[in-house]
Amino acid sequence: DGGITQSPKYLFRKEGQNVTLSCEQNLNHDAMYWYRQDPGQGLRLIYYSQIVNDFQKGDIAEGYSVSREKKESFPLTVTSAQKNPTAFYLCASSISGSSVVYEQYFGPGTRLTVT
Amino acid sequence: AQSVAQPEDQVNVAEGNPLTVKCTYSVSGNPYLFWYVQYPNRGLQFLLKYITGDNLVKGSYGFEAEFNKSQTSFHLKKPSALVSDSALYFCALSYSSASKIIFGSGTRLSIRP
Repeated sequence: DGGITQSPKYLFRKEGQNVTLSCEQNLNHDAMYWYRQDPGQGLRLIYYSQIVNDFQKGDIAEGYSVSREKKESFPLTVTSAQKNPTAFYLCASSISGSSVVYEQYFGPGTRLTVT
Repeated sequence: AQSVAQPEDQVNVAEGNPLTVKCTYSVSGNPYLFWYVQYPNRGLQFLLKYITGDNLVKGSYGFEAEFNKSQTSFHLKKPSALVSDSALYFCALSYSSASKIIFGSGTRLSIRP
């Protein structure tokens, strides 16, 4: 899982509560990403950030929010507006190239269960 | 529209036999193609990528993949499967440095002793 840490590994919350998932990287990567993984659906992009203090919505951003105040950190908040938040959440980072696409490196993931 | 497909949900292979995990893609322009592996309750690990050049790409753990432009495929292969290769494999596609990476739905590879 390289130099990306996600905490906690397992997280349990009651419906209606906001929860923040941590993602930290020491790879000096400019770009960071958040994905959601559900069984049989592969990975879906929630948010991504190419540079500090800037981020863009992915394919399923509704009910989620992010911040990118430091290069190393890209926390994800799952808000009470997210209708089905129970899932496995993966953070990734990569070099940000102007002409080349670089591979992403993933953290170990956080499994969120909301009841 | 750009897309990537993994037509098989599951592939079963006996240990020692060659394995192939299939991936096809659709893109306007030149593709960037990747393979990742995921073990249970873990993040994805990068295996290999095709950017340009040789159609046969070698990666980690003895895996390789063959880029076939005419068939728009990027199949993952290994000459001799190990039980420890059992995992979930994802093919991924991008087409420019400004675009997102699109992941396939994954193929579960099961290697029986």
